[in-house]
Amino acid sequence: QQPVQSPQAVILREGEDAVINCSSSKALYSVHWYRQKHGEAPVFLMILLKGGEQKGHEKISASFNEKKQQSSLYLTASQLSYSGTYFCGTEPGGTSYGKLTFGQGTILTVHP
Amino acid sequence: SAVISQKPSRDICQRGTSLTIQCQVDSQVTMMFWYRQQPGQSLTLIATANQGSEATYESGFVIDKFPISRPNLTFSTLTVSNMSPEDSSIYLCSALGGGSSTGELFFGEGSRLTVL
Repeated sequence: QQPVQSPQAVILREGEDAVINCSSSKALYSVHWYRQKHGEAPVFLMILLKGGEQKGHEKISASFNEKKQQSSLYLTASQLSYSGTYFCGTEPGGTSYGKLTFGQGTILTVHP
Repeated sequence: SAVISQKPSRDICQRGTSLTIQCQVDSQVTMMFWYRQQPGQSLTLIATANQGSEATYESGFVIDKFPISRPNLTFSTLTVSNMSPEDSSIYLCSALGGGSSTGELFFGEGSRLTVL
């Protein structure tokens, strides 16, 4: 089942902060975050694993609430380059290792 | 990290024809996947390309429509068979990273198909 992202779209000015949320109805092994710019491939940002391990970019942070099956991506002091569509991908683990179900996406636009 | 090359990058096809998309990874990877992304939409997993065995398809996707090959650890193909306008989409090849990139999913640039 597809995870639900919110908000659907965010408009920011440079330097402002944003939070993107991802919620799943299934138990999760991991949550992944990707950014996709128009006409380009999705690019890996962050992975959060059950148990608290995280891996990703230094300037982007995220959290994973295992009990609620929710994750949030925190974008601070936004830059123009942050513009794009952000997708969370959820992984239930087990025999589904590596198989991600992506949310519908959040369009982030950063203006000067 | 893994660099993934796909071809063709785009094509315009006639209804009823088939097209094969090639995916080449610059390093050996254990797992490769094919996703579909309709314009402005999210990514949907089509199948897992298994090296040396039949692909594993997700609900709603069948081998007759989307045959997949994976002859080795760096290459895979996806064929879209008997195409209809509903198959117009971007098809993305992806690979699961290893080593320091374990768990990261790398994507190719995608193949944009338009079916007339």
